[in-house]
Amino acid sequence: TQLLEQSPQFLSIQEGENLTVYCNSSSVFSSLQWYRQEPGEGPVLLVTVVTGGEVKKLKRLTFQFGDARKDSSLHITAAQPGDTGLYLCAGAGSGGGADGLTFGKGTHLIIQP
Amino acid sequence: DVKVTQSSRYLVKRTGEKVFLECVQDMDHENMFWYRQDPGLGLRLIYFSYDVKMKEKGDIPEGYSVSREKKERFSLILESASTNQTSMYLCASRTSGAYGYTFGSGTRLTVV
Repeated sequence: TQLLEQSPQFLSIQEGENLTVYCNSSSVFSSLQWYRQEPGEGPVLLVTVVTGGEVKKLKRLTFQFGDARKDSSLHITAAQPGDTGLYLCAGAGSGGGADGLTFGKGTHLIIQP
Repeated sequence: DVKVTQSSRYLVKRTGEKVFLECVQDMDHENMFWYRQDPGLGLRLIYFSYDVKMKEKGDIPEGYSVSREKKERFSLILESASTNQTSMYLCASRTSGAYGYTFGSGTRLTVV
């Protein structure tokens, strides 16, 4: 069974600060995705990383896939209250995601004005 | 945009009842999934389907079954609801070859 460990579990910071969320595993994933979930809603896909060492940017969010495709990080620059939410990483195994994704338990992020 | 619609946002059922959770997607996606989400446990895969009439067990299928008679609809059935099935249930779909899932808004089920 593949496991994804996310850290930190909870993070509360002031507007304007930077932060990094980590997603680690002992397993290799064919791709890794990051989702954001608002209260009472389903997760929404932010990005998919596929190649080891890949870096993707989405405005103030930077996503990195580890060289060995076992870990990933999400860095937010100059956090804003609108970034508040539950951030989930999810890995696809050899099935490419057709047989489900393994999810981390999530990072609850609160950005205080 | 792809839309995944779950028929109920909130549901309260009694122990022992048979419960049907419905999920419909409108973009002809082959793959569909049912997850449950619980605090401290994250999202766990219950069942998934590669295509119409096909179904596969996920990590926690006990107490559940599924039906996929049409490509756009994937139903989750709780044969005899129990209090430990109180949870947020999330349906998702994906087209073959794509990476990302599109999730519905979820059904918060309470079994009393």
